[in-house]
Amino acid sequence: DTAVSQTPKYLVTQMGNDKSIKCEQNLGHDTMYWYKQDSKKFLKIMFSYNNKELIINETVPNRFSPKSPDKAHLNLHINSLELGDSAVYFCASSQDTGVDYNEQFFGPGTRLTVL
Amino acid sequence: SQKIEQNSEALNIQEGKTATLTCNYTNYSPAYLQWYRQDPGRGPVFLLLIRENEKEKRKERLKVTFDTTLKQSLFHITASQPADSATYLCALGGGNKLVFGAGTILRVKS
Repeated sequence: DTAVSQTPKYLVTQMGNDKSIKCEQNLGHDTMYWYKQDSKKFLKIMFSYNNKELIINETVPNRFSPKSPDKAHLNLHINSLELGDSAVYFCASSQDTGVDYNEQFFGPGTRLTVL
Repeated sequence: SQKIEQNSEALNIQEGKTATLTCNYTNYSPAYLQWYRQDPGRGPVFLLLIRENEKEKRKERLKVTFDTTLKQSLFHITASQPADSATYLCALGGGNKLVFGAGTILRVKS
């Protein structure tokens, strides 16, 4: 059973297009995240949702819009893709029970290439 | 600004030896610190967590120390095996957010 799944695994697209990445977790966790890992391997938080409510929104261009239809899903929609958006995007989840130090479970990543 | 430094060069060691990875940080007072393992083409996998009031944590062949005065964490893998070869990421936590270092590549040769 896959704990955190993402689709697609690879995404190649042209500049200016709009694309979405989907994420689902079957762990029953309350909190989900989107991270971006660039070519230098830094993993940076983009967004975090707790029970469908946005709780972290780092300095991310507003071309990126997360959407959480329910607490098991957190999708990432990107408008007007730019070359600099090329990276690996990871979804993650954690069980929040009033504490913030829970381990995070990561998905397999989506490699986005913008041409 | 917050800065997390991990060895930028790969660490190459012989099988059976102890691998020691370093995580230094500045301009940050984390409530806890986590270590993750990342294999090529995969997402990070949680290994260990240590809180600010703890000095040391162990799990099987893994040991992590946390020195808030030195602002440093050390991650040890004893009796290393080729299967331990991967990138190891430290992550500082607090305020519902993790800030990751760039990771250190560990290569264990048989």
